[in-house]
Amino acid sequence: GAVVSQHPSWVICKSGTSVKIECRSLDFQATTMFWYRQFPKQSLMLMATSNEGSKATYEQGVEKDKFLINHASLTLSTLTVTSAHPEDSSFYICSAFGTKGNNEQFFGPGTRLTVL
Amino acid sequence: GQQLNQSPQSMFIQEGEDVSMNCTSSSIFNTWLWYKQDPGEGPVLLIALYKAGELTSNGRLTAQFGITRKDSFLNISASIPSDVGIYFCAGLPQGAQKLVFGQGTRLTINP
Repeated sequence: GAVVSQHPSWVICKSGTSVKIECRSLDFQATTMFWYRQFPKQSLMLMATSNEGSKATYEQGVEKDKFLINHASLTLSTLTVTSAHPEDSSFYICSAFGTKGNNEQFFGPGTRLTVL
Repeated sequence: GQQLNQSPQSMFIQEGEDVSMNCTSSSIFNTWLWYKQDPGEGPVLLIALYKAGELTSNGRLTAQFGITRKDSFLNISASIPSDVGIYFCAGLPQGAQKLVFGQGTRLTINP
């Protein structure tokens, strides 16, 4: 399958700081990237859909000013959690859809965010 | 919105047993996907199904795309310890890019 990486794999930050998470498609071009959040023992919850070169589309209830998404190239999307609070602590996972597979989304390994 | 009902939510089995889990939907999907997620990692695609009635195997795993296009099942035969994890079904509605996920099935295996 295709390779999608995320960086960092885990991060601990103080409340009020901003954290940037990168999602890269390493061996294909990702026309669309998706950002999910997953709380313990729960399923993946889609936060936003990001298309290269255009603004992200956010799911209902997700604050676009708090979760800034940039998809500047066909291989990179970033999610910035601004002014993070403890309730933002979660597992953030990206997936990429593009020039590989057959309608498949390839998932990154996830980023564990802990806000103190 | 669209929802997938995945069952069972959890399973506790003995090593060597077969496992079966399924997902149902109130609406039609064009693609059904089965993923496995290990703790602290992202989901990994196990099997992808694209046509109603399609039956696909991947080693000890077998999945089927229901004829009505509203359901899918995943079977694991002769379970081994490394099968432990959470299994998610996901469906792709017609013309859509956004996956709809089931709630997951947590599989625990007693050696």
